[in-house]
Amino acid sequence: EDKVVQSPLSLVVHEGDTVTLNCSYEVTNFRSLLWYKQEKKAPTFLFMLTSSGIEKKSGRLSSILDKKELFSILNITATQTGDSAVYLCAVRFYNFGNEKLTFGTGTRLTIIP
Amino acid sequence: GAVVSQHPSWVICKSGTSVKIECRSLDFQATTMFWYRQFPKQSLMLMATSNEGSKATYEQGVEKDKFLINHASLTLSTLTVTSAHPEDSSFYICSARDLEGAKYEQYFGPGTRLTVT
Repeated sequence: EDKVVQSPLSLVVHEGDTVTLNCSYEVTNFRSLLWYKQEKKAPTFLFMLTSSGIEKKSGRLSSILDKKELFSILNITATQTGDSAVYLCAVRFYNFGNEKLTFGTGTRLTIIP
Repeated sequence: GAVVSQHPSWVICKSGTSVKIECRSLDFQATTMFWYRQFPKQSLMLMATSNEGSKATYEQGVEKDKFLINHASLTLSTLTVTSAHPEDSSFYICSARDLEGAKYEQYFGPGTRLTVT
């Protein structure tokens, strides 16, 4: 069964700390892995990863994919209260010729001032 | 950037009535749109994949006669929840895929919160 698992489910840290969020997956016909940030409404796109070992970076956020071990991490350095959100990992893959995007359960990150 | 809109943003309806939710890609053409449902503190669950001009593909466990999807144009898909019940109350989110430039990005709408009383 295709699945995406995120850990931890929730995380509370102090402002300024660095956090690492994990995403592991088991799918057939993998295409790409995406990270989203969800606050009160719909998810907003952060990164799309297709190749192993190539770090994607945007400000204090960075992410990398390991296609051999089937996981990805999302790092946030020098966290701020505005980083508080649910971070979703999603994997795009093909199933019987249909493209699917399956989400993990998310990691709820809370930053304490 | 690509923008996807949904209408309405929230709706309250009585049990047994039908509700239509619209999803529009505002500045790009989307041959494929996806409909998700999200219950409180849970992740997004794909309901169906909608391709312009053809029938939607529903995920296992999603009743196609209850959740009617129409994708009549490259910029509009609609989800109609028929004979709604309180257990259909949820956050419904659509996303549209922009195929231009082979980016295969999926852009999400702001979501529609449905409450069935």
